[in-house]
Amino acid sequence: QVQLQESGPGLVKPSETLSLTCTVSGGSISNYYWSWIRQPPGKGLEWIGYIYYSGSNNYNPSLKSRVTISVDTSKNQFSLKLSSVTAADTAVYYCARYCTNGVCPNWYFDLWGRGTLVTVSS
Amino acid sequence: DIQLTQSPSFLSASVGDRVTITCRASQGISSYLAWYQQKPGKAPKLLIYGASTLQSGVPSRFSGSGSGTEFTLTVSSLQPEDVATYYCQQLNSNPLTFGGGTKVGVK
Repeated sequence: QVQLQESGPGLVKPSETLSLTCTVSGGSISNYYWSWIRQPPGKGLEWIGYIYYSGSNNYNPSLKSRVTISVDTSKNQFSLKLSSVTAADTAVYYCARYCTNGVCPNWYFDLWGRGTLVTVSS
Repeated sequence: DIQLTQSPSFLSASVGDRVTITCRASQGISSYLAWYQQKPGKAPKLLIYGASTLQSGVPSRFSGSGSGTEFTLTVSSLQPEDVATYYCQQLNSNPLTFGGGTKVGVK
């Protein structure tokens, strides 16, 4: 079955760029949207953005100026870069498959990675 | 942005009780609403999409209803393994948003 796995540094210094990769295994990255979501410790979920396998994307306006999501279909991976991080960016970062109407019966996030904690600290 | 307000924020019920969580949207979202269950230290798990369609493999004691601006998630008979935080999410328009969550415990 399709599985997602996040990878990247668990500690990032303030003002630097957070970089994470999500590897999709057991299936193709094609024909789907892929998303990043984060969850600060003890808090709720925040959608960061998504990318289609062809490269078109959409970001949360609250983070848009600092976010870049890219896709590498040859590696079955998609990535997140978040620049100029502060302590407020400390969170568990999840990657997820965004199922949309046309490929799936409706719109939803049906597959999630286990999440990776990224701490912003000097 | 579409705001989602969940109530209550916390609830505690006995095993076998019927539990209902409400999610209200700040504007109409048709039926573009999903519900997720998140257990401590785990990723969210999709329970319901399209406001009322049960995801494959999810126990039938979970059900969803509503459209427009008011939605409910019901657990017909609460089980110990249902202890978790539940989130609603709207997928009607960007930015996609989540409710604040409802933490469910067992007495």
